[in-house]
Amino acid sequence: GAVVSQHPSWVICKSGTSVKIECRSLDFQATTMFWYRQFPKQSLMLMATSNEGSKATYEQGVEKDKFLINHASLTLSTLTVTSAHPEDSSFYICSARAEATDTQYFGPGTRLTVL
Amino acid sequence: GNSVTQMEGPVTLSEEAFLTINCTYTATGYPSLFWYVQYPGEGLQLLLKATKADDKGSNKGFEATYRKETTSFHLEKGSVQVSDSAVYFCASKTSYDKVIFGPGTSLSVIP
Repeated sequence: GAVVSQHPSWVICKSGTSVKIECRSLDFQATTMFWYRQFPKQSLMLMATSNEGSKATYEQGVEKDKFLINHASLTLSTLTVTSAHPEDSSFYICSARAEATDTQYFGPGTRLTVL
Repeated sequence: GNSVTQMEGPVTLSEEAFLTINCTYTATGYPSLFWYVQYPGEGLQLLLKATKADDKGSNKGFEATYRKETTSFHLEKGSVQVSDSAVYFCASKTSYDKVIFGPGTSLSVIP
């Protein structure tokens, strides 16, 4: 089956620094990827839709200048958390849509802890 | 807009008990419906799905039937195991639209 990877799987950073998270579709091309955020014991909240070659579409309430998304190729989307603060600590999950079947495949998630 | 509602947890069952987790949806059009499972510390895994009314999705002993008349997609398993302890998310998606997740139901199975 289709595989989506994320890197890193976990990261700890100091407050004020920026962190980049990668999402890759390993065996299929994805013009559309999605970024979710999950707080402890809560559901996934969609942050933004990442479109290859164009700007991301952000959900209401998500700061686009803080969560920078780049979808530079058909197999890679990146989420950069800029000037991270402790409240940004969360589990970030991406998914990639396989166009042929309109099926989303989820990555294993990245746990971010901001000290 | 589209939404998904599922029963509140946590749910605690003894091994070999019968499991039902209720899920209902609201949507414009006819969504595809999914159950995802998240084991502790891990990402989401697709458990099963159904794409049209009366379809039954099944996997690893779990089943769910797409009921258009009741807008439901309840998850069932006849005999749970300790290894089934996880959080279960019901989700819906209309064509080429984003996936909408329910709040999740935590299941603990005790020996």
